[in-house]
Amino acid sequence: AQSVTQPDIHITVSEGASLELRCNYSYGATPYLFWYVQSPGQGLQLLLKYFSGDTLVQGIKGFEAEFKRSQSSFNLRKPSVHWSDAAEYFCAVGSPSAAGNKLTFGGGTRVLVKP
Amino acid sequence: DAGVTQSPTHLIKTRGQQVTLRCSPKSGHDTVSWYQQALGQGPQFIFQYYEEEERQRGNFPDRFSGHQFPNYSSELNVNALLLGDSALYLCASSAVNTEAFFGQGTRLTVV
Repeated sequence: AQSVTQPDIHITVSEGASLELRCNYSYGATPYLFWYVQSPGQGLQLLLKYFSGDTLVQGIKGFEAEFKRSQSSFNLRKPSVHWSDAAEYFCAVGSPSAAGNKLTFGGGTRVLVKP
Repeated sequence: DAGVTQSPTHLIKTRGQQVTLRCSPKSGHDTVSWYQQALGQGPQFIFQYYEEEERQRGNFPDRFSGHQFPNYSSELNVNALLLGDSALYLCASSAVNTEAFFGQGTRLTVV
């Protein structure tokens, strides 16, 4: 069965500092991988996705993520955090048979940005 | 393009009652998935509808049922509500070879 682990429940970072959120997945083959962001009481917005090809993917809002097959990881990074990046971030894995198919989410990492 | 729209935004129900949540997919999408997100947790897959049929189902009891209409919109029905059904219910739509786009969710509170 597929699973996703986000080891950090909360992360506090100063505005302007770099941010890295960890994600480890378990899947029988190379899955589709996603990072979503959720503001309080809101739905999920897609930040970036990995289907195949270049293992470093660029997303919206200055985020990037790197797929490392050997480590079963898909960590999210941002070089310089803005106060508006305070939110909850979810890593998700999906079946490579169809991009819109069932997603399995991690438990999320809540990011707090200090001024 | 209005994106994925869900209604209502919030609702409060009593234990034992039944509830229906609605979702209109993004234009051009034909597949609708439903997720339950309990407070402080990641979303969990309930089921997915395609061509008016349930195509995949997660680990949820039969009290959770759904429907998809010819215009691709969808309903989620929950019978015999329990306190533990209180959650944010998210609808996501997709098409062949597209990722899922999520709505803003319906916050259900069971009292």
